[in-house]
Amino acid sequence: KNQVEQSPQSLIILEGKNCTLQCNYTVSPFSNLRWYKQDTGRGPVSLTIMTFSENTKSNGRYTATLDADTKQSSLHITASQLSDSASYICVVSEIPTSGTYKYIFGTGTRLKVLA
Amino acid sequence: DAEITQSPRHKITETGRQVTLACHQTWNHNNMFWYRQDLGHGLRLIHYSYGVQDTNKGEVSDGYSVSRSNTEDLPLTLESAASSQTSVYFCASSDGGTGNTEAFFGQGTRLTVV
Repeated sequence: KNQVEQSPQSLIILEGKNCTLQCNYTVSPFSNLRWYKQDTGRGPVSLTIMTFSENTKSNGRYTATLDADTKQSSLHITASQLSDSASYICVVSEIPTSGTYKYIFGTGTRLKVLA
Repeated sequence: DAEITQSPRHKITETGRQVTLACHQTWNHNNMFWYRQDLGHGLRLIHYSYGVQDTNKGEVSDGYSVSRSNTEDLPLTLESAASSQTSVYFCASSDGGTGNTEAFFGQGTRLTVV
């Protein structure tokens, strides 16, 4: 069964510090890997989208990396801010044998940034 | 600005009642999706549509139905609400069929079935 697993489940860091979130997946073959940020009570918002041929993608203080060989991705947050407190969700798009592209969601990492 | 909106934001209903959750997007996207989000689970796909008059079942479609009569709207209907359907529901839309296009999510509807 294709899965997406994220670690850690939750993380607390101090404002200004860096952190790295992990995503391991077994989806194969896959089309792309996405990272979303979800604030409490809101819908997910896209941070990065990487195809299988890309190794890294940045969006401001957010940098995602992808190793398609080991099926691992990470999201690095630099100089964290209070507004970074949210859940971060890894999503892998499975290339279908027929029909639609299927998005497989991880359960997310809940990040709390403290002043 | 284009957007995707869901209504209501919160809903409490009784077991056995029919409930409809609305989703409206102004992106002019062909693809629309309904997901549910529960603790301990990633978002799970309920139904999706690739265009007007097209609807398809997702992985957790039992007890739910959708219809697509125009590009902008994909209402989700719970035929006979059950307590197991208490959840947060998200609608999303995207353009294109390559799988590499960005998906935009609504704000969510929190549904409680009592």
